[in-house]
Amino acid sequence: NAGVTQTPKFQVLKTGQSMTLQCAQDMNHNSMYWYRQDPGMGLRLIYYSASEGTTDKGEVPNGYNVSRLNKREFSLRLESAAPSQTSVYFCASSVREGQSYNEQFFGPGTRLTVL
Amino acid sequence: DAKTTQPTSMDCAEGRAANLPCNHSTISGNEYVYWYRQIHSQGPQYIIHGLKNNETNEMASLIITEDRKSSTLILPHATLRDTAVYYCIVGGNQFYFGTGTSLTVIP
Repeated sequence: NAGVTQTPKFQVLKTGQSMTLQCAQDMNHNSMYWYRQDPGMGLRLIYYSASEGTTDKGEVPNGYNVSRLNKREFSLRLESAAPSQTSVYFCASSVREGQSYNEQFFGPGTRLTVL
Repeated sequence: DAKTTQPTSMDCAEGRAANLPCNHSTISGNEYVYWYRQIHSQGPQYIIHGLKNNETNEMASLIITEDRKSSTLILPHATLRDTAVYYCIVGGNQFYFGTGTSLTVIP
């Protein structure tokens, strides 16, 4: 099993450009998450999808959109990138849905720089 | 979801036990306590979780106080590879990571 995979690993954008970060998991998990991590900070939740077909805002959703394409894939889109969105983006997944605890498995991250 | 308070940094001698404290005074009855660690800029790695009882696995032990307002992660024999940032998290669907404890294991 590959676990949680993210593409691309690195990306440089100019202000105003758009892009989509891809995330896929092969563990048949129901829930998926997108976080960002700024230098010296902990991770902050952007959006999550408790199950296929549902998405909810997290702590810092402004400037982002998400799509739960199917059970395996959860994408994060920046419509008009800003320098404040320079960060490392992590995707995670968990079994959840009926499971009382929420052990999340994380991908390796995408390092995004917006100039 | 409840938030947590952890010391900013700690040192531990190699081979000794590392005890990492966490306060979560606003935890609600059905919320679990989770511990993760992050080495360099890799994705966080799950360590252990617990609800009321103390828990142990191959990586660590988790001690939760009876009132559930605080917990301690114990790495029984710290190695240099345990140098990392350790996050204590309390929550359900939404995790609040905070800034964690930067643990340095000293040779």
